[in-house]
Amino acid sequence: TQLLEQSPQFLSIQEGENLTVYCNSSSVFSSLQWYRQEPGEGPVLLVTVVTGGEVKKLKRLTFQFGDARKDSSLHITAAQPGDTGLYLCAGGFPGANNLFFGTGTRLTVIP
Amino acid sequence: DAGVIQSPRHEVTEMGQEVTLRCKPISGHDYLFWYRQTMMRGLELLIYFNNNVPIDDSGMPEDRFSAKMPNASFSTLKIQPSEPRDSAVYFCASSLLPTSGGYTGELFFGEGSRLTVL
Repeated sequence: TQLLEQSPQFLSIQEGENLTVYCNSSSVFSSLQWYRQEPGEGPVLLVTVVTGGEVKKLKRLTFQFGDARKDSSLHITAAQPGDTGLYLCAGGFPGANNLFFGTGTRLTVIP
Repeated sequence: DAGVIQSPRHEVTEMGQEVTLRCKPISGHDYLFWYRQTMMRGLELLIYFNNNVPIDDSGMPEDRFSAKMPNASFSTLKIQPSEPRDSAVYFCASSLLPTSGGYTGELFFGEGSRLTVL
């Protein structure tokens, strides 16, 4: 059973388009992180959010944490080929010992 | 400073053979994690250590898997005997802070060890 559901599973878009990917849970997160993983490499942290309703921006990437802390979204503006990769959300839950990862959204940006 | 270093990068072995994966965490990081990644199940935590002591090994699939951390700069994950269903990419990660219990430690991952068991 997946504690975190990510959607869509796959996404292929043209360079310059905007996109949003989602991370959802039926449980409340104590914290949530977004990682990006490029082929042949390990995941790299993009952002951490902890407060319900929080919005963080990282250049063309905008991260939102839901008010109820059960969901999060990642919006990319004017996608570039360098954005290609696997986007993973990782959630911490109250009382849990470790982070749980979603299965990810595999993004391909076509030049 | 060097990142997390894993070896080997690729391993191809036959069913029944012993496999040993190695990891050197970032110096000063007290937390070390072993993850397994497959297309079907994504990233799964196998075990993690704090100050060289195993804290949670509930993700270790079965007795064929074992992990050790003899000192702060080295850890191994061993599979004996290996089976085809163990084929996956195994990641080691280290962290300065805890990743749970109210903390939001950043995980620094190695490049992974891709294991293929024939």
